[in-house]
Amino acid sequence: DAGITQSPRHKVTETGTPVTLRCHQTENHRYMYWYRQDPGHGLRLIHYSYGVKDTDKGEVSDGYSVSRSKTEDFLLTLESATSSQTSVYFCAIRAGQGTDTQYFGPGTRLTVL
Amino acid sequence: AQSVTQLDSHVSVSEGTPVLLRCNYSSSYSPSLFWYVQHPNKGLQLLLKYTSAATLVKGINGFEAEFKKSETSFHLTKPSAHMSDAAEYFCVVSERNYGQNFVFGPGTRLSVLP
Repeated sequence: DAGITQSPRHKVTETGTPVTLRCHQTENHRYMYWYRQDPGHGLRLIHYSYGVKDTDKGEVSDGYSVSRSKTEDFLLTLESATSSQTSVYFCAIRAGQGTDTQYFGPGTRLTVL
Repeated sequence: AQSVTQLDSHVSVSEGTPVLLRCNYSSSYSPSLFWYVQHPNKGLQLLLKYTSAATLVKGINGFEAEFKKSETSFHLTKPSAHMSDAAEYFCVVSERNYGQNFVFGPGTRLSVLP
């Protein structure tokens, strides 16, 4: 257990509304990640952060933004949700010996109607 | 750039028989390789990892994987399947020089028949 929580765990929203997902960690890890999981695609990286206010884009960043104002929190925002963003979203931190292992939060299931 | 291929989208075995989940990778640098398991409606749990020490890696729940550089493979095995092994399994590659990038395979769903 890497002390990662995600909120909310489930959310249903309508097309065009803004949505923010929160990832919280308790162990002061530098690297944090947001992924989406869709059938047949595994997990795909949306954005990641390598420190407070330091973020970068991943493979599927269009339509998403992130912010990290504190080490422990990494926020993912959908400015105007679309049905194609219906997915399960996972947050991860990077930790372990050599700091090259990811540990995942429990996930957020987002449905955009 | 790294990439991962999981050769089977679905594997079905009988309880008590061996499990083989296949993974091939592509990497320009010395890779780290991982297997994660995801039970239905759950998060991802690390099964095992390879980071350039022993090429045969032992993980949790009796799983192991062997890193074969010449074949660019990292197949996951278990001698005897248990019903509780039914889950989705993901192979992941990370290039240690660029360790912020972890690339996932599409996953293999393992079914265990009684």
